[in-house]
Amino acid sequence: EDKVVQSPLSLVVHEGDTVTLNCSYEVTNFRSLLWYKQEKKAPTFLFMLTSSGIEKKSGRLSSILDKKELFSILNITATQTGDSAIYLCAVHSNSGYALNFGKGTSLLVTP
Amino acid sequence: SQTIHQWPATLVQPVGSPLSLECTVEGTSNPNLYWYRQAAGRGLQLLFYSVGIGQISSEVPQNLSASRPQDRQFILSSKKLLLSDSGFYLCAWSVSRGRGHRILQKLFFGSGTQLSVL
Repeated sequence: EDKVVQSPLSLVVHEGDTVTLNCSYEVTNFRSLLWYKQEKKAPTFLFMLTSSGIEKKSGRLSSILDKKELFSILNITATQTGDSAIYLCAVHSNSGYALNFGKGTSLLVTP
Repeated sequence: SQTIHQWPATLVQPVGSPLSLECTVEGTSNPNLYWYRQAAGRGLQLLFYSVGIGQISSEVPQNLSASRPQDRQFILSSKKLLLSDSGFYLCAWSVSRGRGHRILQKLFFGSGTQLSVL
């Protein structure tokens, strides 16, 4: 059975801190790993990773995938209160049509 | 551009009552459609997906059913709600590509329905 594990489950930091969120997975026939940000309602897409070692970057957010060790990290530098959200990691494999999600990391950035 | 609409936003229903949640997608054709449920501390759980009209696959046995009467319409239903059906329900779509519709680019989510069964 495919498994996606995120850590930590929750995190509280001060504005300006740098955070690293972790996602490890066990899937057969891995195809891609995706990161989403969920503030209140609909998760919004951040990154899709398919190849090891290639960093994806968007502003203060970046992510990288290690297909040998089966994990990905999401980095947020110079955090702001608007970064407070649940960050979801999901994996797609050839064995299924849909994404398999982790439980998420709840990030709270305090002023 | 593509948009996804999901309603209602919140719903409070008594145990044993029926349920109908609706989701429609605009601006694309033949999307893959999905229903997920998000319970506290459990992440997003896939309930149903559909690769075409009338084609529904269920991922977990449960009290719910899904239907796709039109290309861009996906409905989640129940004849009799249970307390355990409470949760946040999300509809999503993805582009359908590749043989057997298996190549998933990314999911786009609706704004969700918060269902409370009392």
